[in-house]
Amino acid sequence: AQTVTQSQPEMSVQEAETVTLSCTYDTSENNYYLFWYKQPPSRQMILVIRQEAYKQQNATENRFSVNFQKAAKSFSLKISDSQLGDTAMYFCAFMPSNLFGNEKLTFGTGTRLTIIP
Amino acid sequence: DAGVTQSPTHLIKTRGQQVTLRCSPKSGHDTVSWYQQALGQGPQFIFQYYEEEERQRGNFPDRFSGHQFPNYSSELNVNALLLGDSALYLCASSPQGRNQPQHFGDGTRLSIL
Repeated sequence: AQTVTQSQPEMSVQEAETVTLSCTYDTSENNYYLFWYKQPPSRQMILVIRQEAYKQQNATENRFSVNFQKAAKSFSLKISDSQLGDTAMYFCAFMPSNLFGNEKLTFGTGTRLTIIP
Repeated sequence: DAGVTQSPTHLIKTRGQQVTLRCSPKSGHDTVSWYQQALGQGPQFIFQYYEEEERQRGNFPDRFSGHQFPNYSSELNVNALLLGDSALYLCASSPQGRNQPQHFGDGTRLSIL
């Protein structure tokens, strides 16, 4: 079984600053995927960024980037030039690789991020 | 292109009743997964449907059951509702193929009185 741990229940940062959200996970799998999802008050879970474990290069999507440390089982999310619209719950999620289809997601407990004007 | 749609948005039931939640996947997606998200928690996997069959199941009792229709839409049924079943129920769909990211709907907020 896999576990995902987010040790920062809440964080806040001034608009335009950079913030890093932490995530660690535990698994015996060798091939897997890691995700960061954003859940604003509107409730919809929105995919922010995805990392494939066999790729050493860290994923980047515009202002969002990750620091993936496979040996340490760490997967942090960095948000640069933070905007008011980034205010949301952020969930780290793990998915084992599957040869035949799509596996279930295992989520952490989330970090509530508030961007202060 | 419509995303994942869920109905109803909000539902209030009493203990012991039964409830059915519905989900239409994103166009081109054939796999549907259901998650339960209690207040202040991350989503917990309930089960996944593919080709009208339950392919995976999380640690939920048999009171939770589901169905997938030929058009890939899905239902989640919960019998003998308990107060602890109060949660946001999220549906996620993914396209055919390996290791595809899941797209979520807005969820159904279920309140048990």
